[in-house]
This record gives sequence, C-alpha cells and structure tokens, in this order.
Amino acid sequence: KNEVEQSPQNLTAQEGEFITINCSYSVGISALHWLQQHPGGGIVSLFMLSSGKKKHGRLIATINIQEKHSSLHITASHPRDSAVYICAVRANTDKLIFGTGTRLQVFP
Amino acid sequence: NAGVTQTPKFRVLKTGQSMTLLCAQDMNHEYMYWYRQDPGMGLRLIHYSVGEGTTAKGEVPDGYNVSRLKKQNFLLGLESAAPSQTSVYFCASSYLGNTQPQHFGDGTRLSIL
Repeated sequence: KNEVEQSPQNLTAQEGEFITINCSYSVGISALHWLQQHPGGGIVSLFMLSSGKKKHGRLIATINIQEKHSSLHITASHPRDSAVYICAVRANTDKLIFGTGTRLQVFP
Repeated sequence: NAGVTQTPKFRVLKTGQSMTLLCAQDMNHEYMYWYRQDPGMGLRLIHYSVGEGTTAKGEVPDGYNVSRLKKQNFLLGLESAAPSQTSVYFCASSYLGNTQPQHFGDGTRLSIL
C-alpha cells in the first residue's frame, strides 16, 4: 500500500462545479504539499500546510492531522484548472513522499 | 525571472549512450533535487544536493551520477543509458530543504531505445 494515496485518480467536471480532491497518508508528517502539474508538464507548488486550512483565490486546502487526511477544493471550476494535482507529505524522517496524482478535466 | 531551467526538454538515446541533463536555478537556493516521474507512480528522488560541492543519494540513484560544481547548477548524468531509464526527469530547488516548497523545472522527457 502506498504511503500517500489520492482519490479519485481521474475526475471530470463541468465548468462552475465545486471540486474536491482527497489525500490520505499513513506516516507521521510535519507538513503536506499540494502541487499542480500543467498539461505541458511544469509543476508548481500550490500550498504547504501543517494544520487547519489555507485559501488562495478559488483554491482551498485543508488538513486533519488526527485523521491523516487532506483535501483540496476548487470553487467555481474553470477549464484552465484542468491539470494533475499532486499531494506530497514531508514525513517525520524529512523524506518527501509524493502521491500519484489526480487528473482533473473541466469542460466548458 | 527564469526560476529553474532544464535542458534539454526532449531527448532520444540509444541503449548504452551517455548524456547529461542540466538544471540551472537563479534563486540562490541551497538545495537542489533530481526526480523521475513514471506512469502510475509518484515522483521519486534520484539524487539531491544540500549545497555547492555536495551530493547525496535519493530513493532511486542506481545508474545515475550527479555533480554540483556551482551553486546554481545541478547536473544529472547517465553513463550508459538503459530502457528502464525512459522517464520524465524533473529538477527542483528550495532554499531550506523540505521545510519549504520546492520550485520545479518544466521537465525533460527522455526516451531510451
């Protein structure tokens, strides 16, 4: 079993829909990252969080340390949000462990 | 503001050939990393560097070598390419290791025939 699991693996949505991507992990962590990989391949960091919630524009990331679970929400989704979203955790060993990603397609 | 630049973007090699992938960053970051991304798997760390002149092995270092002669550059070498090294390679950098988000390059798609 992978130490970082994301669900769903693939997600399609209509423009305007509320999107939720989930990440569960099985190791002790000090921080969790959400990354976005564009269709062209580039990867950008969206959030790094260790507790609570962070918001940037239409993106919201939450984490529940006790339940070892994080969610990434996208409000009012747009076709330009189409990308692969990657969850990564900084384990207590200082190792960074990446999930396999969730592929999101938003149709107009 | 270039950030992290990888060259080349694409390359096709024959088994047994050698090549070097170059990563350059202009953010004065101490830490640099090389990852590979394969279908159905998360990014896996090949080698990393915590400063000029230092390198260390990551999760999947076999078949690769690295050098960090200058702080801004991190080179990944394949001495004798094998089909199993067909992958997309990403370089990343950060100022203070895994305590901060990493900045990624756009990737190098490498095919070994």
